[in-house]
Amino acid sequence: GAVVSQHPSRVICKSGTSVKIECRSLDFQATTMFWYRQFPKQSLMLMATSNEGSKATYEQGVEKDKFLINHASLTLSTLTVTSAHPEDSSFYICSAVPLAGGSGYEQYFGPGTRLTVT
Amino acid sequence: KQEVTQIPAALSVPEGENLVLNCSFTDSAIYNLQWFRQDPGKGLTSLLLIQSSQREQTSGRLNASLDKSSGRSTLYIAASQPGDSATYLCAVRQWAGNNRKLIWGLGTSLAVNP
Repeated sequence: GAVVSQHPSRVICKSGTSVKIECRSLDFQATTMFWYRQFPKQSLMLMATSNEGSKATYEQGVEKDKFLINHASLTLSTLTVTSAHPEDSSFYICSAVPLAGGSGYEQYFGPGTRLTVT
Repeated sequence: KQEVTQIPAALSVPEGENLVLNCSFTDSAIYNLQWFRQDPGKGLTSLLLIQSSQREQTSGRLNASLDKSSGRSTLYIAASQPGDSATYLCAVRQWAGNNRKLIWGLGTSLAVNP
């Protein structure tokens, strides 16, 4: 149980194009999903908190117009990197917090999406 | 501002050794601390979660301790195996509204050699 999937797992796009990454909780509902990015040999950096039915909360320094987040349902959040540039190349990871049950501290992580912008 | 540091950054040991990974944090006012494992190019798996009121948690060959007053946690791995090779991340959780955000260390990259 508690599986989170991300699609695609890898994507290569050209500079200036937009890329959408999906994060799905497969066997539970999640009102809250987190989006992280991770550069090589660096830790996870929280980009934004995605809440179902409301606007995402972005961390300081993260451009909300560049990284569009849509939490369309209790099982799906999407991150769209608009007008991608090579510096956006990174590993993007999402996590989902179950709506019910558990201690309230669980975050289940997706396998990540490797984005390369050429 | 909370900062989480992990030492060592990398560790290579022969199979069977007992080992200790260290995590320190600058602000002792944490809600809890969590240890994760990340395999190359993959997501994270939660290993142990220690509440701020607890001193340690154990799961199989893993034991995590927490000394909140000194801002330190250790992850002890007994009888290491090649399958333990991964990056181990420490993260602390502090209240930020309802977000319960995690603040992450850079990780310790562990290689267990057969």
